[in-house]
Formats: sequence, C-alpha cells, structure tokens
Amino acid sequence: AQTVTQSQPEMSVQEAETVTLSCTYDTSENNYYLFWYKQPPSRQMILVIRQEAYKQQNATENRFSVNFQKAAKSFSLKISDSQLGDTAMYFCAFMKHYDFGNEKLTFGTGTRLTIIP
Amino acid sequence: EAQVTQNPRYLITVTGKKLTVTCSQNMNHEYMSWYRQDPGLGLRQIYYSMNVEVTDKGDVPEGYKVSRKEKRNFPLILESPSPNQTSLYFCATRGRLTRGDPELLFGPGTRLTVL
Repeated sequence: AQTVTQSQPEMSVQEAETVTLSCTYDTSENNYYLFWYKQPPSRQMILVIRQEAYKQQNATENRFSVNFQKAAKSFSLKISDSQLGDTAMYFCAFMKHYDFGNEKLTFGTGTRLTIIP
Repeated sequence: EAQVTQNPRYLITVTGKKLTVTCSQNMNHEYMSWYRQDPGLGLRQIYYSMNVEVTDKGDVPEGYKVSRKEKRNFPLILESPSPNQTSLYFCATRGRLTRGDPELLFGPGTRLTVL
C-alpha cells in the first residue's frame, strides 16, 4: 500500500515571500501521478498542480512549482511571491497510474499554510 | 460548466437516523467516488463506482452504503449513523485515464455531525 507523509502540520510566511511545503511518499510502483491540492477556508478541494512520474521535468503552474525527486520519493511544492489568498490547507496526494479502474488518491495529512500580511 | 454538486452541505442528525447525501455530476463521467476528511488523517476513500451498477468498497466502507442507478448520481447512505461518522464528506469524479484525465474533481463537501 502507498503512504504519503507531510511532516509539516503548520507553516506561516510573510506575504510576497517564497515557501516550500514538503511531501514524501512510499510506493513500489514505477508509474504514478502526484498532486497537490489546496483547501481554503471554504473547504473546496482545488487542484494546484500535478506531476507524472515518468516525466523528469518538474511541473509548474504560474507561482507554483514542484521539486520531484523520484529516487528519493520526494515531491515538494514551492509557492513564490506568496499571496493572502494562498492561505489554506495543502494536501499532497498519490495515485497509481493503473489500479484496475479504481485509481484512487492516497492523501497526506495536510499542511496548514498561513500567509501573514 | 463542469460541476459536482452535493446536498445537503451541512447536516446535524442523531444516532441511528438514516440519512442520504446526494452527489451529482454533469460531465458524463463513469468514475465517481466518496471520501471522508478527518483532522490528522487527510482524506480517505469510502466507496467508488466505475459505472452504473458497478460499485466497490474503498478503504473505510464500514457503516456506509452507495448506489449507482444513473451515471450522473452517486448517493452515500448512512443507514444507522454513529458519532464516529461525524466528518467532512466529499464526492469526486474524474474522466478516463486513457484520455490523460487523471485529476479528481471534487464536490463542495458535506459537513455531517452525528450527535
């Protein structure tokens, strides 16, 4: 079974600074997806970024980028120029590329990020 | 607009009183799933459905039932709710992985409190 670990329960950073959220995972699979989801106070789950394991290039989406280290099973999220709207719970998640149709997400326990004005 | 809707959004009930949380999606997706979110545990899968009349257990199915009679709807049924089912519930759907569409799209969540 896959496990996802987020070792930072809470983080805070000043507005406009850069922050990195950590995520490690354990799997014997070679082909999989990794995701970061954001959950603001509204509780909606919003996809931030995704990474395919077979791609060596790190994914980026505007101010959000990842550092994917497949051998180390590490998948950190970097938020540049942080904004007040980035305040949220962030979840790292793993999904097998193929699992007989139930390619479910396995989530970490989340990191609560607060952006300080 | 692609949408997943859940009702109700908030519910307070008492132990043993049957309830149903509805979920509907307008994307004609075959795959749908239910998750529960608890502090310190992240989100865990309860049940999933790969198509109409095809459902199966996830990681934490005890105390829950589901049905999939129509493609768009996937209700979650608690026949005899207990306080340990107090949680935040999410319905989710995705397209086919063979089409390069792995992202789960989540509904807005249902906050359930069982007294």
